[in-house]
Amino acid sequence: AQTVTQSQPEMSVQEAETVTLSCTYDTSENNYYLFWYKQPPSRQMILVIRQEAYKQQNATENRFSVNFQKAAKSFSLKISDSQLGDTAMYFCAFMTEGGFQKLVFGTGTRLLVSP
Amino acid sequence: EPEVTQTPSHQVTQMGQEVILRCVPISNHLYFYWYRQILGQKVEFLVSFYNNEISEKSEIFDDQFSVERPDGSNFTLKIRSTKLEDSAMYFCASRDILGNQPQHFGDGTRLSIL
Repeated sequence: AQTVTQSQPEMSVQEAETVTLSCTYDTSENNYYLFWYKQPPSRQMILVIRQEAYKQQNATENRFSVNFQKAAKSFSLKISDSQLGDTAMYFCAFMTEGGFQKLVFGTGTRLLVSP
Repeated sequence: EPEVTQTPSHQVTQMGQEVILRCVPISNHLYFYWYRQILGQKVEFLVSFYNNEISEKSEIFDDQFSVERPDGSNFTLKIRSTKLEDSAMYFCASRDILGNQPQHFGDGTRLSIL
C-alpha cells in the first residue's frame, strides 16, 4: 500500500518570500502521479500542481513549482513570492497509474502567510 | 470551467437517522469518488464508482454506507444509520476517463451528527 508523509504540520512565511513544503511517499510502483492540493479555510480542495513520475522535468505553475526526486521518493512544493491568499492547508497526494486511481493523501501542512 | 457541485453545503442530522449527500459530477466524467475528512485530519478515500458499480472501497466504507447513480447526472452517498463519528466533511470528486487526469473536487458537504 502507498503512504504519503508530510513532516511539517505548520509553516510560516512572510509575504513575498519563498517557502518549501516537504512530502515523501512510499510505493513499489514505477509509474504514478503526484499532486499538491490546497485547502483554504473555506475547505474546498483546489488542485495546485501535478507531476507525472515518468517525467524528469519538474512541474511548474506560475509561482508554484515542485522538486521531484524519484529515487528519494520526495516531492516538495515551492511557493515563490508568497501572497496572503496562499494561507491554507496543503495536502500532498499520490495516485497510481491505471485502475480506478484513488488518491492517497498526506496529513497536510498548514501554511500561514503574514504581511 | 465545469465544476463538481455538492448539496447541501451543511447537513445537521440526529444520530441514528439516514442521510443522503448529493453530488453532480462534471458531465463528461465517468469515474466518481467519495472522500471523507474528519475535522483536523487528512482526507481519506471512501469509495470509487465506475460503470454503475463500486470499483474500490476502503475499510471505512462499511455496510452503513452505499452509493448510487440514480440518473445520468447525480451521484449520491447514503449513510444508513448515522453515528457521532460520521461527523466530517464529505467530498465528491470526478475524473475524466481519458488518460490519467486529476480528480476534480466539489466544495464538500459538512455533516454534523448530533
